[in-house]
Amino acid sequence: AQSVTQLDSQVPVFEEAPVELRCNYSSSVSVYLFWYVQYPNQGLQLLLKYLSGSTLVKGINGFEAEFNKSQTSFHLRKPSVHISDTAEYFCAVIPSTSGTYKYIFGTGTRLKVLA
Amino acid sequence: DTGVSQNPRHKITKRGQNVTFRCDPISEHNRLYWYRQTLGQGPEFLTYFQNEAQLEKSRLLSDRFSAERPKGSFSTLEIQRTEQGDSAMYLCASSPPGYTFGSGTRLTVV
Repeated sequence: AQSVTQLDSQVPVFEEAPVELRCNYSSSVSVYLFWYVQYPNQGLQLLLKYLSGSTLVKGINGFEAEFNKSQTSFHLRKPSVHISDTAEYFCAVIPSTSGTYKYIFGTGTRLKVLA
Repeated sequence: DTGVSQNPRHKITKRGQNVTFRCDPISEHNRLYWYRQTLGQGPEFLTYFQNEAQLEKSRLLSDRFSAERPKGSFSTLEIQRTEQGDSAMYLCASSPPGYTFGSGTRLTVV
């Protein structure tokens, strides 16, 4: 079975400061890794994904994430946040052996960018 | 391509009533997924269709829940005899390529 842990339920940060949102996963098989953003009363929008290859992945809106296999982590980073980045962020995995490609999500991290 | 459309966006119902939600996927996507998201939690998988065939159901999908995808196009999710614990956001997604989520239907059971 797989699980995803997002240790920080809320992260406040000042505008233009850097931010890191942490994600750790547990799986007995290799996984594909994803970060999604959810704005209030909206669906989920894909920020970035890691399927294979380079462990540093760049996504939309200036976000990037680094896959660390030994630490089973996939932390999301942005060097300078904007007020508009205020949202809920979800880390998710899909086991590479999955035939259904269903997601296993973490519980989310609420990023609040302060002026 | 108008994305994944879900209706209604919001639904308030009394406990014990039946409700039905609709999802219209992206037309060329043959896979369709339903997820449920409760407050403070990430989305949880409910069920998956490939074309019209329902290939997997989560144990979260009790016998009060039923999902269909006639003709492999739109899908419906029905909840019978709603309970307060059913209050959640119900998200639909379709693929491939990629995975596109709809904006969800927020159900409130009072």
